Amino acid sequence: DTEVTQTPKHLVMGMTNKKSLKCEQHMGHRAMYWYKQKAKKPPELMFVYSYEKLSINESVPSRFSPECPNSSLLNLHLHALQPEDSALYLCASSQGGIGNQPQHFGDGTRLSIL
Amino acid sequence: AQSVAQPEDQVNVAEGNPLTVKCTYSVSGNPYLFWYVQYPNRGLQFLLKYITGDNLVKGSYGFEAEFNKSQTSFHLKKPSALVSDSALYFCAVRDIDDYKLSFGAGTTVTVRA
Repeated sequence: DTEVTQTPKHLVMGMTNKKSLKCEQHMGHRAMYWYKQKAKKPPELMFVYSYEKLSINESVPSRFSPECPNSSLLNLHLHALQPEDSALYLCASSQGGIGNQPQHFGDGTRLSIL
Repeated sequence: AQSVAQPEDQVNVAEGNPLTVKCTYSVSGNPYLFWYVQYPNRGLQFLLKYITGDNLVKGSYGFEAEFNKSQTSFHLKKPSALVSDSALYFCAVRDIDDYKLSFGAGTTVTVRA
C-alpha cells in the first residue's frame, strides 16, 4: 500500500469544468510534488512545494493551480483544461531539503478531458 | 545539467534467468541515483538508491544495483527474475546541488514463464 494517497483515482471532465485533485501524506515529509505522466513515458515535474511554500513552477499553464493548505495536503485545481492535458497526475513527497531522500509516489489520478 | 539514459526500451527474459536493466547518467557534481518500478495503473515505487559508500546497493524485492563511477553507470540487476517483475522501470538522478529528479525514458521488462 502506498503511503501517499491521491483522490479521485479517475476523473473525467469537460473543457469548461472546474475540478480539484487531492493528495495526502502522513510521513512528516516537508516537500511535495505534482507530476504529469503520459502513457509509458517518464513523469514530468510540474510543481514543487517545500515547507508549504511553492518553490518550483516548471512553466506550467495557469489552468493548473496548485495549493498546499498544510504540510500533509496538496491540491491541484483544474480549470478550462485541454484534451492534451489528459494524463496520469502523480503526487509525491520527500523529506524536505534533503536531496538524497527518495520521493514517494501516490498511485495517481487518471484524468480524461472530453 | 543532469541527464539519464536507459538504452533499452524493452528487456525480455525467461523466468529464473538473471535480469539486467541498464542506466547511464550525466551530472556536473556527485550524483544521487535512484531506481523506481511502475506496475500498470500504479504510481512509481522506490526500489533502491545510491548516495555514497558501497558501489553495490541492495534494494526491495531482491533487486540490486551497481554504481560504476568511471563508466557513469547504475545498472539494475536481479539474479533470478520472476513473472511478477514484469513492469516499467525508471532510473533517476539528482545532482547534489539540484532540486530536480531527472528520469530516464524507462525500460519495459517482460519476464516470460
